[in-house]
Amino acid sequence: AQSVSQHNHHVILSEAASLELGCNYSYGGTVNLFWYVQYPGQHLQLLLKYFSGDPLVKGIKGFEAEFIKSKFSFNLRKPSVQWSDTAEYFCAVGAEKRKLIFGQGTELSVKP
Amino acid sequence: DGGITQSPKYLFRKEGQNVTLSCEQNLNHDAMYWYRQDPGQGLRLIYYSQIVNDFQKGDIAEGYSVSREKKESFPLTVTSAQKNPTAFYLCASSIMQGASNSPLHFGNGTRLTVT
Repeated sequence: AQSVSQHNHHVILSEAASLELGCNYSYGGTVNLFWYVQYPGQHLQLLLKYFSGDPLVKGIKGFEAEFIKSKFSFNLRKPSVQWSDTAEYFCAVGAEKRKLIFGQGTELSVKP
Repeated sequence: DGGITQSPKYLFRKEGQNVTLSCEQNLNHDAMYWYRQDPGQGLRLIYYSQIVNDFQKGDIAEGYSVSREKKESFPLTVTSAQKNPTAFYLCASSIMQGASNSPLHFGNGTRLTVT
């Protein structure tokens, strides 16, 4: 069965620090990959997505993610975080049965 | 503005009562979904509907029921059979009939507390 794992439950960074949030999935076939973000008090929204092509995808607000097929990973990165990046981040994988499976979420706190 | 409206934002019920959560979208999306969000568990799929008058069970459908009589509406009923109903419920929609390859648009959620 499909599963998605986000290893970091809560990450605390200072402003300007670099960010990398891990996401690993288990599925041997073709996958579509997503990162969603939930800012405090706001609805979940799409940050970026990968369907095919260049494995390095860029999203909104300076975020990017790299799909490494051999590692079944789709880690989210940002070179320099801001206080406004404080949010909960969800990795999601779409494959069989046209369903989307979400990871457990990573709460990011950025200290000003 | 197009979007998904969930109401109410907060809902309180006594144990043993059924309760219905509303979800309306004006995005003209075919597919709609209900997720449950619990701390440390991410989002888990309860039910989804890819077209009017059709819906499928997700991973945790027990104790829930849905209907899809209109394209715009996908209400979720939390029945008394749901053993742990207190949670944050999210409704979503997608333009295509398949969440695996179509980004989801989410509502603001309903926080249900059952005592």
